[in-house]
Parts: sequence; structure tokens; C-alpha cells
Amino acid sequence: DQQVKQNSPSLSVQEGRISILNCDYTNSMFDYFLWYKKYPAEGPTFLISISSIKDKNEDGRFTVFLNKSAKHLSLHIVPSQPGDSAVYFCAAGDGSGTYKYIFGTGTRLKVLA
Amino acid sequence: DTGVSQNPRHKITKRGQNVTFRCDPISEHNRLYWYRQTLGQGPEFLTYFQNEAQLEKSRLLSDRFSAERPKGSFSTLEIQRTEQGDSAMYLCASSLTSGSYNEQFFGPGTRLTVL
Repeated sequence: DQQVKQNSPSLSVQEGRISILNCDYTNSMFDYFLWYKKYPAEGPTFLISISSIKDKNEDGRFTVFLNKSAKHLSLHIVPSQPGDSAVYFCAAGDGSGTYKYIFGTGTRLKVLA
Repeated sequence: DTGVSQNPRHKITKRGQNVTFRCDPISEHNRLYWYRQTLGQGPEFLTYFQNEAQLEKSRLLSDRFSAERPKGSFSTLEIQRTEQGDSAMYLCASSLTSGSYNEQFFGPGTRLTVL
């Protein structure tokens, strides 16, 4: 049972344009959400997070939007750069005391120069 | 380098053999997590330590798997009698303790191939 879903396995965007990566979740107990970026042969690297009490969080070129009623979040990258090409994982904190994450299956972003 | 380190980076073994992986977290981090990632999937939670105490184990962690963090610093993950289905990337992550969510810092992973 996939509680965090990233329905687009891949996305290609032109350099300078906006990249929008989407994520849906099913468990209303999730109270914290994160995006991680992963390059080949490396572990995931934290990108940006958002608490369930907010609907938007920005950090430079990266913005995460949360729609709790729709159980949906998205990551916007503006402007996209070739170095952003990587696999992006959406993750949710499960609301338990361990603060562990439940990850989606990832979206491979390719930014074309 | 003060990041999370994992050894070995790659391990090839024959079915039925035992393997052990090591994770060295960031020194001041109390929390340590093990995840497993298979092809086309995101990381899946295996187990969690708060200092030396193992506080949660996933149903994915069969009896053949055991993890330790003897002095609250480095951790080991052992798989006994490996099976082909154990082939995966094993990721370790660590974070600070503050009663809330904190960024988990991941190591580069150990890629296990069971022949």
C-alpha cells in the first residue's frame, strides 16, 4: 500500500523554465513533508520541507506547496538549471514518535540545456 | 568529512552467506535510521535508534536481519542467510534529537548484490 505517491516517473523541462513535481499522500496523520534530491551513486540530499500547519515554504529557487484538503503537495523549481537534473523524492513524516519518513517512488527530472 | 559514511559501498555475496554493513553517523546526531531502496522505489524504513536503543523495527525486517548501535555511535546491519530478494541499496541516515522532525542526513548507501 503506497501511502506516498509520485505518479510521474519522469519529467523533462527546458533550462530556465519552471519544473513542477507532484506528490499525493493518503494518510491524514502525516504532519510533515519533505523533498529530497538524489544523484546517482549518492544518498538522498535534503532540499526543502513544510509542516502541515503551513501551505507554502520557499527557499531560493525552490518552493513547496501543500494542499491538505487534497492531500497533495508540489515542488516548484524556478528557474530550472541543468544541475537540477536528478531524482526527486517526496517524503512524509508519519506522525509517530520515531519521526521516520515514508518516501514516494521518485520523479526523475531532466533539465535540458 | 563530517557527513554520514557507510562501508562497504558495494557488496557482492552468494546466496546463503552472511553480510554486515556499517554506518557512521554525524557525531552529534542521536537518531539513526536504516532504510532499504530497491530499483524504482523510494527508500523504505527498516529500523530506528535513539542513542543505543533500537526503538522501532519495520515488518520488512525479517528475523534474518539484525541491527545494533552498541555505544550510541556507529551502527551495524547484519543479514544472515542472504536471499536474492535482499539485493538492494541499504541507506543509513542520522539526525538530531529535538522532539520534532529534523532533517535526516543520508549516507551514500551500501549496494548489496546477492547472486
